Amino acid sequence: QQPVQSPQAVILREGEDAVINCSSSKALYSVHWYRQKHGEAPVFLMILLKGGEQKGHEKISASFNEKKQQSSLYLTASQLSYSGTYFCGTSLLGGFKTIFGAGTRLFVKA
Amino acid sequence: SQTIHQWPATLVQPVGSPLSLECTVEGTSNPNLYWYRQAAGRGLQLLFYSIGIDQISSEVPQNLSASRPQDRQFILSSKKLLLSDSGFYLCAWSAFPISTDYNSPLHFGNGTRLTVT
Repeated sequence: QQPVQSPQAVILREGEDAVINCSSSKALYSVHWYRQKHGEAPVFLMILLKGGEQKGHEKISASFNEKKQQSSLYLTASQLSYSGTYFCGTSLLGGFKTIFGAGTRLFVKA
Repeated sequence: SQTIHQWPATLVQPVGSPLSLECTVEGTSNPNLYWYRQAAGRGLQLLFYSIGIDQISSEVPQNLSASRPQDRQFILSSKKLLLSDSGFYLCAWSAFPISTDYNSPLHFGNGTRLTVT
């Protein structure tokens, strides 16, 4: 049931772009994206509902394709503050549980 | 505005000792409440969730239990801790979903770092 994230880790230079993918073997109803800084709690970035929509948060956007059971997070012109671990969370039927992927570690260096 | 309080921030306990972690939410009513655990360098494992007082679902069989004595209070307990219980415990809340196709965003507390020695 756990969604699969790829890649496991990414190292970027400031200003470079990155894509983080999240896929599920189960039907997805909504996808959440969170960012966790080292030693801190995860912080909600955005939620995507059925309909293939894209959402944005600063220079971070995401898409959701429920037919392919996939979501992707796009980080454009990365900044040092983007460093952290990104988690996708998927909602199963019933709307009460969010199950997270293993996370993607992103490190942005100057 | 809504806030979530979780304590203690850090805890070191010997194997076989009991555990009680507490979480309270302010500024909202009838929240969904969650306990997640994160092992070092790993992902977020859902342990328990609750959609109302005395309505608690367990996701992973283990020696932990959860209780919700009040609408905005969620407690994680153990009678006897194991070494494998070490980790970062996160309480979270979300608003009651508007439909079965939609799960409201999770808002996490600052977490409790538990070390079992």
